[in-house]
Amino acid sequence: TQLLEQSPQFLSIQEGENLTVYCNSSSVFSSLQWYRQEPGEGPVLLVTVVTGGEVKKLKRLTFQFGDARKDSSLHITAAQPGDTGLYLCAGGHQAGYQKVTFGIGTKLQVIP
Amino acid sequence: DTGVSQDPRHKITKRGQNVTFRCDPISEHNRLYWYRQTLGQGPEFLTYFQNEAQLEKSRLLSDRFSAERPKGSFSTLEIQRTEQGDSAMYLCASSSRGDQPQHFGDGTRLSIL
Repeated sequence: TQLLEQSPQFLSIQEGENLTVYCNSSSVFSSLQWYRQEPGEGPVLLVTVVTGGEVKKLKRLTFQFGDARKDSSLHITAAQPGDTGLYLCAGGHQAGYQKVTFGIGTKLQVIP
Repeated sequence: DTGVSQDPRHKITKRGQNVTFRCDPISEHNRLYWYRQTLGQGPEFLTYFQNEAQLEKSRLLSDRFSAERPKGSFSTLEIQRTEQGDSAMYLCASSSRGDQPQHFGDGTRLSIL
């Protein structure tokens, strides 16, 4: 049973559009990571957020951790074809990262 | 600095055969993790090592699965008497400390005929 729900599961948009994907849980996490995974490859870490309400920016990507540390969002501005991939959120339990639970992922396709 | 390395990248075998995968973590990372990812799912935790000690095992890790990290560096994951349901991507990750994020290898894709 996945404790992290991601929505939408699939998203197909035109280049230049903005989008937001969500990661929600009924559990409180000590930290949350976002990864991007391309077919046939392992997940690549994008960002880690640890404080409730924290916002981090990575170029055109903006990540937010919910105040209660149960949810997170990823906003992409002016999407590009290179943003295509599977976006996974992963919640860290307790004080460390030993137990990390992944969501099912959002599969993003950016059409040129 | 090389990343996490996994070998082989692909493995095709007949049902009932044994398979072994290897993971070389980022050097000096003393935490090592194994995950399994099936199509359309996120990675699922299998087991965790701190140095050579296996500290946690998921219920997903049946008796047919065994993982080792004998010298606290590379790790192996063996599956005995493979079954159709074992077909998946097996991912390895490492971290320098328990509070640091995990870095993943590109995985071993296992296909059972």
